[in-house]
Amino acid sequence: DAGVTQSPTHLIKTRGQQVTLRCSPISGHKSVSWYQQVLGQGPQFIFQYYEKEERGRGNFPDRFSARQFPNYSSELNVNALLLGDSALYLCASSLADAVGEQFFGPGTRLTVL
Amino acid sequence: QKEVEQNSGPLSVPEGAIASLNCTYSDRGSQSFFWYRQYSGKSPELIMSIYSNGDKEDGRFTAQLNKASQYVSLLIRDSQPSDSATYLCAAMDSNYQLIWGAGTKLIIKP
Repeated sequence: DAGVTQSPTHLIKTRGQQVTLRCSPISGHKSVSWYQQVLGQGPQFIFQYYEKEERGRGNFPDRFSARQFPNYSSELNVNALLLGDSALYLCASSLADAVGEQFFGPGTRLTVL
Repeated sequence: QKEVEQNSGPLSVPEGAIASLNCTYSDRGSQSFFWYRQYSGKSPELIMSIYSNGDKEDGRFTAQLNKASQYVSLLIRDSQPSDSATYLCAAMDSNYQLIWGAGTKLIIKP
């Protein structure tokens, strides 16, 4: 079975632009979580979706939004990009809600210039 | 503010020795704890989960949990150079979200 997939792998944007990141979970997994990881730090929780509903939101501004589709894939959108948004964006899937055993995709490296 | 604290390291351990990684957490409501390994340039991968006080063993890995002291540890026996990575500790809070530590960088010296 394929693991969690994310696209694109790398992305370069300029300040003020908008970006959409995509994630496909492991087949059968209904929960998707998004994390931001800056070099030298642990992942910071952004969103969790389960069965197409938002189940949790981290301490991120409203410029960040996400959604989950009927096939359980997910998109993370970031508007009005700032230099500080440069990071590795990780998507993780799990079988169900409230599950700490998560499986991560390879991540999307976003650079904002 | 819910926090998970780890020593950033690096922790240098000779090959074949036991590596001991530690983590403390602030949220007494946390009941589930996880250790993830992250190689440089890669994404985290789950190594161990622990839910009850005491020890849980899986191959060369042993996770230890002490809820009274709000302390979690990971022991790696017979350390191998391939164990060199950053180890992330995570606690599930009362909202069922993972709170992550910053990770401990482990270096196994041949």
